[in-house]
Amino acid sequence: KAGVTQTPRYLIKTRGQQVTLSCSPISGHRSVSWYQQTPGQGLQFLFEYFSETQRNKGNFPGRFSGRQFSNSRSEMNVSTLELGDSALYLCASSWMLGEASYNEQFFGPGTRLTVL
Amino acid sequence: KQEVTQIPAALSVPEGENLVLNCSFTDSAIYNLQWFRQDPGKGLTSLLLIQSSQREQTSGRLNASLDKSSGRSTLYIAASQPGDSATYLCAVRPGAQKLVFGQGTRLTINP
Repeated sequence: KAGVTQTPRYLIKTRGQQVTLSCSPISGHRSVSWYQQTPGQGLQFLFEYFSETQRNKGNFPGRFSGRQFSNSRSEMNVSTLELGDSALYLCASSWMLGEASYNEQFFGPGTRLTVL
Repeated sequence: KQEVTQIPAALSVPEGENLVLNCSFTDSAIYNLQWFRQDPGKGLTSLLLIQSSQREQTSGRLNASLDKSSGRSTLYIAASQPGDSATYLCAVRPGAQKLVFGQGTRLTINP
């Protein structure tokens, strides 16, 4: 079974631009979460989608947004990029059983975003 | 607010040694705890998942324990190998789909 895939793997943007990152979960997984990893802050939760609905959101500004499609693939968008948005963006998927999840989260390889 | 701490931040040991990585969390109300490994510039690889009702999980040379009441987990690595060198991350699930991560322990196994 293929793992979580993320595209692109690397991105270089300039301040003020916007960017869209894509995540394809493991087949059958309907929950997709996004995390930002930086050397200073570590791994921080951005948001989580299940059945095309955002169910949970971390403490990030509104410039960070996302969506999920009917095939469970997810995208996240960052508008008006700032230097501080440079980070590794990780996507994770898990299989859901009802509303609660006691299941493992499986992570993709990440997208390395550099903002100049 | 749930906080996760991992000690030590870095650890260097000779090959073949058994070692223990520590993780502590401030709120015992968790669904589960997951240990990951991360190689430089890569994503996270799930190692072990312990549900809140469990005390430990084992996979190969790895054994993870969970003491919810004291807010602690340990990851035991037996007979360490150079290929075990990586950053090890502990994460707890306080609810919903959010994981709260520690800062990690950077492990180096010296041949």
